[in-house]
Amino acid sequence: AQSVTQLDSQVPVFEEAPVELRCNYSSSVSVYLFWYVQYPNQGLQLLLKYLSGSTLVESINGFEAEFNKSQTSFHLRKPSVHISDTAEYFCAVSAPWGTYKYIFGTGTRLKVLA
Amino acid sequence: DAGVTQSPTHLIKTRGQQVTLRCSPKSGHDTVSWYQQALGQGPQFIFQYYEEEERQRGNFPDRFSGHQFPNYSSELNVNALLLGDSALYLCASSFSNTGELFFGEGSRLTVL
Repeated sequence: AQSVTQLDSQVPVFEEAPVELRCNYSSSVSVYLFWYVQYPNQGLQLLLKYLSGSTLVESINGFEAEFNKSQTSFHLRKPSVHISDTAEYFCAVSAPWGTYKYIFGTGTRLKVLA
Repeated sequence: DAGVTQSPTHLIKTRGQQVTLRCSPKSGHDTVSWYQQALGQGPQFIFQYYEEEERQRGNFPDRFSGHQFPNYSSELNVNALLLGDSALYLCASSFSNTGELFFGEGSRLTVL
């Protein structure tokens, strides 16, 4: 079975500052890893994913995450945030086979301050 | 290419009633999963349908049931509604042999 821990429930950061949202997972098998973003009253939008290959994955809007197998982490980073990045961010893990059931973390609310 | 569509977007029910939520998967997808997201929480897996069968189920009571139709669309039914069933219900579709889920906007259920 897999589990996900997002240690920070809320992260306030000033505009144009860097940010890191932490995600740690637990699994006895290899995993797929995902970051989703959720804006108020909306569904989940895929931000980026790690399925295999390069451990550093990037999104089109400047976010990146690095899969670290030894530390069982998949932290999300952005070098310079914008007001529009204010949202809830969810980390998720699934086994790379079977039904691919996603296990989500409890989310981190990123609040970008002017 | 239409993504995952869900209906209704919002609905209000009273305790004891029954509700049906609907989902149309992304074009070409054959698998539908349902998740419940309570306020301030991450989504939790309810169940997954493939080839019109429930393939896996999360830790939800039998009051939660579903169906998948030959066109791959799906319904989630909840009977005997409780206040605690108030949540955003998310539908996600995928190909059966891949691990990427595509989520709809959700149906927000309020139980009074």
